Amino acid sequence: AQKITQTQPGMFVQEKEAVTLDCTYDTSDPSYGLFWYKQPSSGEMIFLIYQGSYDQQNATEGRYSLNFQKARKSANLVISASQLGDSAMYFCAMREGPGDDKIIFGKGTRLHILP
Amino acid sequence: DTGVSQNPRHKITKRGQNVTFRCDPISEHNRLYWYRQTLGQGPEFLTYFQNEAQLEKSRLLSDRFSAERPKGSFSTLEIQRTEQGDSAMYLCASSFPRTGRGNEQFFGPGTRLTVL
Repeated sequence: AQKITQTQPGMFVQEKEAVTLDCTYDTSDPSYGLFWYKQPSSGEMIFLIYQGSYDQQNATEGRYSLNFQKARKSANLVISASQLGDSAMYFCAMREGPGDDKIIFGKGTRLHILP
Repeated sequence: DTGVSQNPRHKITKRGQNVTFRCDPISEHNRLYWYRQTLGQGPEFLTYFQNEAQLEKSRLLSDRFSAERPKGSFSTLEIQRTEQGDSAMYLCASSFPRTGRGNEQFFGPGTRLTVL
């Protein structure tokens, strides 16, 4: 079974609209962390936001927020007021356990922002 | 520039040749990771180091792959007897454990390997 599932291979969104990128995860470990990374066409992975499994509040970082629904094992990324520069691949990822440092990535969602 | 750097950025080689990639992490980061990314996929974990100790290796890392971090600073990833299936982007990342941001990993620009 896949640990991280991103069901949207691609999305087209009008500039300035909000966009939600879906992510579900699978783990039996009570301690885990969820990440979102952005990968522009240049190839570099850019950290966007992090949510710990014990965090009480949803994480926010500027225009990015993480809609964390623990019971549903869902960690959707919300980008408010999208910009042309947001066009990129977006990866949801998970770290399992407090001591396990490797990150498991989903297959990604390609986001296209339309002018 | 104080980010993670990787060299070379591109490598084209013939099947059967050996290749070596280098990663220089952010200077104060004690953890260093290698990932491989093929077209249309997310990065897959290969191995990671804490200082000079290699703490975990993925089953993806066959005997032809070896990684070192001799002085706990830069790291090298060597692939021996390359195969066409080794063609991929090889990403390096580094981190320094701290609370609040999940030991976020900072990635380098990657080395794109093409095996002919």
